Amino acid sequence: EDQVTQSPEALRLQEGESSSLNCSYTVSGLRGLFWYRQDPGKGPEFLFTLYSAGEEKEKERLKATLTKKESFLHITAPKPEDSATYLCAVHAWTSGSRLTFGEGTQLTVNP
Amino acid sequence: DTEVTQTPKHLVMGMTNKKSLKCEQHMGHRAMYWYKQKAKKPPELMFVYSYEKLSINESVPSRFSPECPNSSLLNLHLHALQPEDSALYLCASSDRISPEQYFGPGTRLTVT
Repeated sequence: EDQVTQSPEALRLQEGESSSLNCSYTVSGLRGLFWYRQDPGKGPEFLFTLYSAGEEKEKERLKATLTKKESFLHITAPKPEDSATYLCAVHAWTSGSRLTFGEGTQLTVNP
Repeated sequence: DTEVTQTPKHLVMGMTNKKSLKCEQHMGHRAMYWYKQKAKKPPELMFVYSYEKLSINESVPSRFSPECPNSSLLNLHLHALQPEDSALYLCASSDRISPEQYFGPGTRLTVT
């Protein structure tokens, strides 16, 4: 069974204080790993797809990396508008169209 | 245009009502999804349509009935719901070539 574990559950940062979110996964053949951002009461917003170990993607203050067991979402010099829940999901070759989501990390950036 | 739209944004219904949620995408995607999301939990997959045919039903109770009239539209018909069905209902779509799913803003459903 595919599993995704995100840590920490919640993270509070001061504006400008860089940090990383973790997504550990076990999957029977990784087809892709996805990061989403979700604001309260809204649908998840797609951020990145990573397909193979060693791959990195960047967007503004966010950088996602992937190893064979985990992915990190690095946030550099965060701003209050980066406050959201960040969801990680995996897509396995054996899972058809299903994504397996982690529980998410709730990030709060204080001014 | 990477946009999925959903209507209504909010819906309050009694346990004896019949209502429908609607989802639309104009990205040419051939796979569409319904998810249910409870507070502080990740989305849970309910149904998947591929090329307008139901391909996955995650053992969802029959009081939820999906419909895909064409490749751009997806409906979820609701009947005799329970209070525990109150949640954010999310629609998503993806190109069959890529598994990246694009989500709509959701419909906040409250069952009284």
